[in-house]
Amino acid sequence: DVKVTQSSRYLVKRTGEKVFLECVQDMDHENMFWYRQDPGLGLRLIYFSYDVKMKEKGDIPEGYSVSREKKERFSLILESASTNQTSMYLCASSSPGTGQETQYFGPGTRLLVL
Amino acid sequence: GNSVTQMEGPVTLSEEAFLTINCTYTATGYPSLFWYVQYPGEGLQLLLKATKADDKGSNKGFEATYRKETTSFHLEKGSVQVSDSAVYFCALSDQQGGSEKLVFGKGTKLTVNP
Repeated sequence: DVKVTQSSRYLVKRTGEKVFLECVQDMDHENMFWYRQDPGLGLRLIYFSYDVKMKEKGDIPEGYSVSREKKERFSLILESASTNQTSMYLCASSSPGTGQETQYFGPGTRLLVL
Repeated sequence: GNSVTQMEGPVTLSEEAFLTINCTYTATGYPSLFWYVQYPGEGLQLLLKATKADDKGSNKGFEATYRKETTSFHLEKGSVQVSDSAVYFCALSDQQGGSEKLVFGKGTKLTVNP
């Protein structure tokens, strides 16, 4: 069974803290993605990576950075958390294809920044 | 750029009712089209997909047909169950730099009452 795991289901942090969200996949997928999900806005892509040490900005990268030191692990970093980063964060992975690729999602981390 | 528009919810139905969730897209080229489902408290999972015009994706009684002439991919189910209560996302593949991203609609929340 394919599996994408995220380090925490729920997280509470204070404004200004540095926050790490970890994602691990066991499918040997090249591509990994970080999204945030907000009511009425759907899923918005923050960053993605198509190889180790490679990263690309998504639609809303401001205030975030990422790290991909190993193929199976993709970390999202909030350098200085702010209240407007309170959200559900979803990680996904996929294997490159010809337009048929499926993204596999983790269960999500619900982050509250106070 | 590529985009997906799906009907706004929430949608509330009684058990055994017919379901349609509309999805239209704007894209250059010939993207693949997807429906993802998010059950309460979980991440997204692929429901069905179609990779070329006139293809029909189907799974768990749900169907959607890739209509190039109307740029649509409407989700249908003949008889919904309480267990179908979830948020449904329409998406298209957006190839960029060798790594394919997905562009998601904003989601439609479905509630099925017994």
